[in-house]
Amino acid sequence: NAGVTQTPKFQVLKTGQSMTLQCAQDMNHNSMYWYRQDPGMGLRLIYYSASEGTTDKGEVPNGYNVSRLNKREFSLRLESAAPSQTSVYFCASSEVPLRQPTEAFFGQGTRLTVV
Amino acid sequence: AQKVTQAQTEISVVEKEDVTLDCVYETRDTTYYLFWYKQPPSGELVFLIRRNSFDEQNEISGRYSWNFQKSTSSFNFTITASQVVDSAVYFCALSEGSGGSQGNLIFGKGTKLSVKP
Repeated sequence: NAGVTQTPKFQVLKTGQSMTLQCAQDMNHNSMYWYRQDPGMGLRLIYYSASEGTTDKGEVPNGYNVSRLNKREFSLRLESAAPSQTSVYFCASSEVPLRQPTEAFFGQGTRLTVV
Repeated sequence: AQKVTQAQTEISVVEKEDVTLDCVYETRDTTYYLFWYKQPPSGELVFLIRRNSFDEQNEISGRYSWNFQKSTSSFNFTITASQVVDSAVYFCALSEGSGGSQGNLIFGKGTKLSVKP
């Protein structure tokens, strides 16, 4: 039982390049999330998907797009990477949306550097 | 607006000392949920506990205990007889039951705990 799996674990991009971060969960959770973690900032929500077929913006969505491919998978795309997107990205999932009594389980994180 | 404050940026203790990590939250919702997560040096985020706003009972799990006080909007975390393996960054987080979005955990900025042998 792997939980939440993110790929890749590390990535270096040049400014302007695009890439997709992949996330899959095997807990049959309905809700999935993408966060970014910056030094001294805690974690901030980029996008979330409360249920299959829906996606919504979080606190810091600019420069990102997401796709809820199916119940298991939720990808994050950077269309034109910028140095400000250098961060650690975490995918998470929960059984139901976080407005209900539940907890989010996180993947191992992807460390992205944009040069 | 919702907010989580962890005033202690870094704490250093010697093994076997007790240590308390503070967390103060702000929310206008009457229904909300509070969490603690641990981020060890390896980087992953590990869920420790969830507390519902309507349940102020304190909780103990082994060396870990949590003190939830609605009167002071605090949800503090105590590690008894700390060990080197407790060294990590600890995050307190909040989600709102009605007024907030369906998707957001509001995180504090974390407290880095170093336990020295």
